[in-house]
Formats: sequence, structure tokens, C-alpha cells
Amino acid sequence: NAGVTQTPKFQVLKTGQSMTLQCAQDMNHNSMYWYRQDPGMGLRLIYYSASEGTTDKGEVPNGYNVSRLNKREFSLRLESAAPSQTSVYFCASSEDGRGVRGQYFGPGTRLTVT
Amino acid sequence: ILNVEQSPQSLHVQEGDSTNFTCSFPSSNFYALHWYRWETAKSPEALFVMTLNGDEKKKGRISATLNTKEGYSYLYIKGSQPEDSATYLCASPKTSYDKVIFGPGTSLSVIP
Repeated sequence: NAGVTQTPKFQVLKTGQSMTLQCAQDMNHNSMYWYRQDPGMGLRLIYYSASEGTTDKGEVPNGYNVSRLNKREFSLRLESAAPSQTSVYFCASSEDGRGVRGQYFGPGTRLTVT
Repeated sequence: ILNVEQSPQSLHVQEGDSTNFTCSFPSSNFYALHWYRWETAKSPEALFVMTLNGDEKKKGRISATLNTKEGYSYLYIKGSQPEDSATYLCASPKTSYDKVIFGPGTSLSVIP
């Protein structure tokens, strides 16, 4: 049981390049989330998926797109990376869509955009 | 209160001291309050999920209380140890659809 896995762990992009961050969970959870963590800002929600086939914007969705490929996988895409997207990205999942269960976090992806 | 707030921002205590910190959240349309522990270079790990006014949860030396009517939760650590050093996050869903908003965290350093 691996929990929540993320790939890659580290990535350096040039401004304007695109990439997809991958996330998968093996706990049969319904809800999945993408957060970014910036110094002094805590965790901010980018997008979430309450259940397979649905996605919705969080606090800071601009510059990102997501795909809930199936119940296990939730990917985050940067179409044209900008230096402001330099951050640590965390994927998380939870059992339910009502917020009454805690979230399980992946190990994070450290992204640098130059 | 419109967002989730935490105080203090940081805390330094001596080993063996007991400590507590506060999470404030919007009391209207309350669904749940989460506490997470986040060690440096690791991922956040859920400590407690609390849903009912008056809830008290305990895990070892760490406990939490919840007041949904006034919109606050306290996290207590009894007899702090160096391994308790971490950032403690609280979070609350803003709607019923699990759109969880995190507070900025309280950074705890326990000095041996």
C-alpha cells in the first residue's frame, strides 16, 4: 500500500515550457486535491476533484489545468510555466467528498521555473 | 472571520514544557476542522478530524478541543519533546464539497 505517490520529485523548467505533474493513490479514495506551498503562504488549493469525473477550481487555479483520469489518478498540467509557479506542489486524497475525513498527502514535487 | 487563522505564527519551548495554540475558523456553515502535523522535508500528516461542537480528541501527548459556535479549536501538547518540532496546520472545509482551506500554520520548535 503506497498511499499517495507523485512524480517527478524535482523538476526545473524554463519559462514557457509545459509539463504535467502526476499523482496516484491506491486507497480507493473519492476526492483528490492539488496544493502549492509557498513560504509564508501555507498550503493553497489549486484544483480539487470531489469524485471521479469531476474537477473544480480552488483558490489559485490560474495557469493550471487538471485531469481526473480515473479514480486513482489526478494530474496537474502547467501549459506555459512562469517563474511565479516556482513552488512545492502536493497532491492529496481523502475518502469522502464532505470534508469529514482527513487528507493523505503525497511526498511533494519541487518545481523551479527559471 | 472569513478565513482560517492560526496563532501564534511560531513558538519556541523547552523540552518538557506544555504548550497550546489556536485555530480560528468561520463558524457559519461548519462541516469539520482538521489538524495536521507537518515535519520539515516531509508531507503533512493528519492528526485529528473534528466535527461536533465540544469534541475532544487525543493522540498520545497531543489533544485538541473544538468550539464550533465561536469558531475556534485549541491544540495542546503535554510535555513537549524535540520530536514534536513541526508546523501544525489546521484546515476547515468552506463548503460541503470538501474544498478544504488551510490556515498558515504554527511552527513549533522544542529546544532540548
